Amino acid sequence: DQQVKQNSPSLSVQEGRISILNCDYTNSMFDYFLWYKKYPAEGPTFLISISSIKDKNEDGRFTVFLNKSAKHLSLHIVPSQPGDSAVYFCAARPSSNTGKLIFGQGTTLQVKP
Amino acid sequence: DAGITQSPRHKVTETGTPVTLRCHQTENHRYMYWYRQDPGHGLRLIHYSYGVKDTDKGEVSDGYSVSRSKTEDFLLTLESATSSQTSVYFCAISPTGNTEAFFGQGTRLTVV
Repeated sequence: DQQVKQNSPSLSVQEGRISILNCDYTNSMFDYFLWYKKYPAEGPTFLISISSIKDKNEDGRFTVFLNKSAKHLSLHIVPSQPGDSAVYFCAARPSSNTGKLIFGQGTTLQVKP
Repeated sequence: DAGITQSPRHKVTETGTPVTLRCHQTENHRYMYWYRQDPGHGLRLIHYSYGVKDTDKGEVSDGYSVSRSKTEDFLLTLESATSSQTSVYFCAISPTGNTEAFFGQGTRLTVV
């Protein structure tokens, strides 16, 4: 039972355009959401997060949007750069503060020069 | 980078043998995690720890056990390795239960 789902395995965009990565979740107890970026042969690195009390969080070129009613979050990268090419994972934590952190399957982003 | 060291970084083992992977941190973080990464499955939580000697199961805990006898070390043991446990294993640490986690470099395990 996949509680965090990234239904698009891959995405290809042109340099300078917007990249939109999507994530859906099924557990209404999740209240903290994160995005990670992963290059080959490296561990995932934290990118940006959002609490369920917000619907948007920005950090430079990265913006995360949260739609609680739809149980959906998205990561926008504007403008996209070739160095953004990586696998992106969304993750979620439950409000019970157990520390549990559940990830999606990942989306491979390719930004073409 | 957060002070996380995974050892070994690469290992090849035979089916049926026991294997232990080690995660060592120097950040004094309370939470520690073991994940495995497989194509099409992303990162799946195996076990995690919320304190010394406090552990809980994740999504794919069957065939794995863990131990945390001190804050800095979290061990993952495959009691009898199987080919389905061939994977890349990542350790992660987090200071609290509601903030981001920081990952190690990974251990590539091959069971032949």
